[in-house]
This record gives sequence, structure tokens and C-alpha cells, in this order.
Amino acid sequence: DAKTTQPNSMESNEEEPVHLPCNHSTISGTDYIHWYRQLPSQGPEYVIHGLTSNVNNRMASLAIAEDRKSSTLILHRATLRDAAVYYCILREGNTDKLIFGTGTRLQVFP
Amino acid sequence: NAGVMQNPRHLVRRRGQEARLRCSPMKGHSHVYWYRQLPEEGLKFMVYLQKENIIDESGMPKERFSAEFPKEGPSILRIQQVVRGDSAAYFCASSPTPGHTSTDTQYFGPGTRLTVL
Repeated sequence: DAKTTQPNSMESNEEEPVHLPCNHSTISGTDYIHWYRQLPSQGPEYVIHGLTSNVNNRMASLAIAEDRKSSTLILHRATLRDAAVYYCILREGNTDKLIFGTGTRLQVFP
Repeated sequence: NAGVMQNPRHLVRRRGQEARLRCSPMKGHSHVYWYRQLPEEGLKFMVYLQKENIIDESGMPKERFSAEFPKEGPSILRIQQVVRGDSAAYFCASSPTPGHTSTDTQYFGPGTRLTVL
């Protein structure tokens, strides 16, 4: 399975933008990039996914590098509720499971 | 539409006892996944089931662990003769599609936290 590399932790102040990076240099052409997050004492929740083009939804934006070897999850205005572990996951075609790495623990300060 | 439900939320067992964890998928979802999260670690895939079928059990320990998803009722993850190393959070997820695409979303439950004394 393709692997991803993320920083162990990041910090942000409330209402500031947050850019969470993810490196996936061995990505193949059919791998989708998914992001999930896990709030404290909860199960993971889906955030966003994309293939080649940048994507926006109500939670976040996903910026994908032109060579697809890296991507960035963007939270436009961090809130205290965004404090969580963020996981960048590559999903191959015809795969059923999610392969979680160690993720990035985001701390948000008031 | 209720989300994925898991019970119990907390389970305490003594070494050698059996643990049964239940998962009710979201309404209309017929695909269930189980993941285990050891303390301070990421989630690890265990097993993927459809109604009455195990599709992928590549992450299941070879002994003591079993899973089922009967035609009626919740999915059950069963751990026999628990040991302290089984202490972890067990998460269930469900999806509405066959799980063979790269785009489907998995919806997770709140987890069952198993403590083995």
C-alpha cells in the first residue's frame, strides 16, 4: 500500500488558517487522496478527498500538487472544535480498507 | 438518519473471558469494517464484512478473534480468552457502496473501549 508522511503535530490560533501537509511520493495514478480526522475520544470522520484537482467542501479545502506527490488540507478558519488528529490516506482502486498512518495532531489555541 | 452505533461504549473483562462488541451500521448500509486502535497509535484495519459474508479478514489476528454480520441484527466482533494486549478501542465503520471504489466514504461509530484486567 502506498504510504503517506505527515508532521506529528501542528499548532494554530483560533480563527487563523491552517495548512496541514502530506507527502505521498509513491502515489500511483489511480490513488485517491482522502483525509479523515479523529476528535478526542471519538471515531474518525471523513473530511475530504480528491484525485488531481483541488477540492472544496463545507469543512475544508484540499490542494493537490501538480505532480500529486504531495497535498495540503486547508482549514480556512480554525476553531477550537477543529483540534483533532488529521489522517492523510491514499486509497487505491478496488481497495476496501483504510490504511491509517500516525497523522498530525492539531492543537488550536484561543 | 442515525449514525453508526456501537455497544457497549466501555467494556471491562478479566483475562480469559470473552468480549463481544456490537456494531449497527447506518440505515441502508450493508458493508461493515472493524478497526482497532491501540493506545497512542493509529487505527489498524481488521476485517471487512458484507451481510453474511467475510470479504477481507487480512487484519484479523489468527487466533481468538472472529467477526460476523448476520442477515438480521448487528455485526459482532468476538474476542475469546482475552489478554491484556487486547485492551484497545475498537471502531466499526459502514459504507453504502461495495467498498471497491476509491471514493466511497466510511462512516465511523464512537467505538468500544475494551479494558482487560
